[in-house]
Formats: sequence, structure tokens, C-alpha cells
Amino acid sequence: DTEVTQTPKHLVMGMTNKKSLKCEQHMGHRAMYWYKQKAKKPPELMFVYSYEKLSINESVPSRFSPECPNSSLLNLHLHALQPEDSALYLCASSQPLVEKLFFGSGTQLSVL
Amino acid sequence: GENVEQHPSTLSVQEGDSAVIKCTYSDSASNYFPWYKQELGKRPQLIIDIRSNVGEKKDQRIAVTLNKTAKHFSLHITETQPEDSAVYFCAASPSSGSARQLTFGSGTQLTVLP
Repeated sequence: DTEVTQTPKHLVMGMTNKKSLKCEQHMGHRAMYWYKQKAKKPPELMFVYSYEKLSINESVPSRFSPECPNSSLLNLHLHALQPEDSALYLCASSQPLVEKLFFGSGTQLSVL
Repeated sequence: GENVEQHPSTLSVQEGDSAVIKCTYSDSASNYFPWYKQELGKRPQLIIDIRSNVGEKKDQRIAVTLNKTAKHFSLHITETQPEDSAVYFCAASPSSGSARQLTFGSGTQLTVLP
């Protein structure tokens, strides 16, 4: 399996909802990432997990809460989001000490 | 932190011509430089990468060059085809132990005209 799988592909939520994005990889990668990408812009790093521990948090608002339950799974819990949080949320993974990042297909999130 | 600038923001070429996209970076500690291709509505896909101990790398019609002294690197696509049309992002990353922290350029919309 050489893919990073993200679910759901599309999500529409209201500002009072709680939802979660899921990411899964079975490549044995021990670093996992959440990126946010607005239309026509580059991906922006949000969080990095290394060996299931949060290693980087790029000053992301607390309404985004990451979780890494095990080495294959990465979640992003969403609560009380704002319309400006609408974007494509990309998960990625990589092998420690190996440079290549592999991206999932993303979740297109719309906040109403 | 790292800052990556990418030019041009849009590029149109005739099919069969070459395309060149250029990036500069600011952090001399960066040692890994990947290029990603992103088609509309799809994931960024790694197309080629280069490490700082190498000056040039080729993969069929795609090549990347790196000038560490000037802190710039470029993507060259030869014999362009309509399917090369996409947004291309350069990125830079310092060595950071067990995880890679990529900083992306702003992207180049490449259009290959048939």
C-alpha cells in the first residue's frame, strides 16, 4: 500500500458543529502532517507528528485539535470553525530521515 | 524561518517547447528541495527532488538544478505536453531529524497550449 487515505473527501459543516477528519497510511511512515490549502495558494503546514508525538504546531487556533492514536492514523478534530477555515485539508506522511512527503487526496471543507 | 519565492506565477508555452520555473530560498540550512505538481482538485504529487549535495538531477523530460551559493533552484520541463498543464510548487526544507518541515513557494500555473 503506497497511499495516504483521507476521509471524508468533502465535508460541509456549520459553525457550531463538531467533526473529525481522518487520515490513514500503511507505509510504515512515522511522521505525519496536516496541511491547509486555500484555493490557488500553496499548502501551509499546521501540525507535525513524529513517532506519534506532536512535534510542530504552527500557531494553529485551538478550534483545530490534532490526534495521532497510532503510527498509522492521524485525526483532525474540528469545533466551532469559522467560514474562513473553508479550505482543502491535506494529510501527508514521510519516513524518518527520508525526505519524501506523500500527500493524501485531501478533504475539501466548507464552513457555513 | 525559511522563505521561498517562486517565479513566474503563470506560464504559457506551446506544446513541444520547454518550460522553466525558478525558486529562491533564504535559509542556508535548507538541504532538500522537492517539486510538486498539483492538478485541479487533486493532491500535490512529488515529481522530482534534489538534495543540496547534488547540482542537477534528471528524470526523463524533467530536470532540476540547484545553485547553493546563490540559493536558487529551477525546474526544467522539456518537450512539454498538454498533460503537463498544472500548478507546480517548489519547496525547501532544512534537515530536521525525524520529520520534514517543507516551506512551499507560491506556485506556478503552467498551461501547455496544443
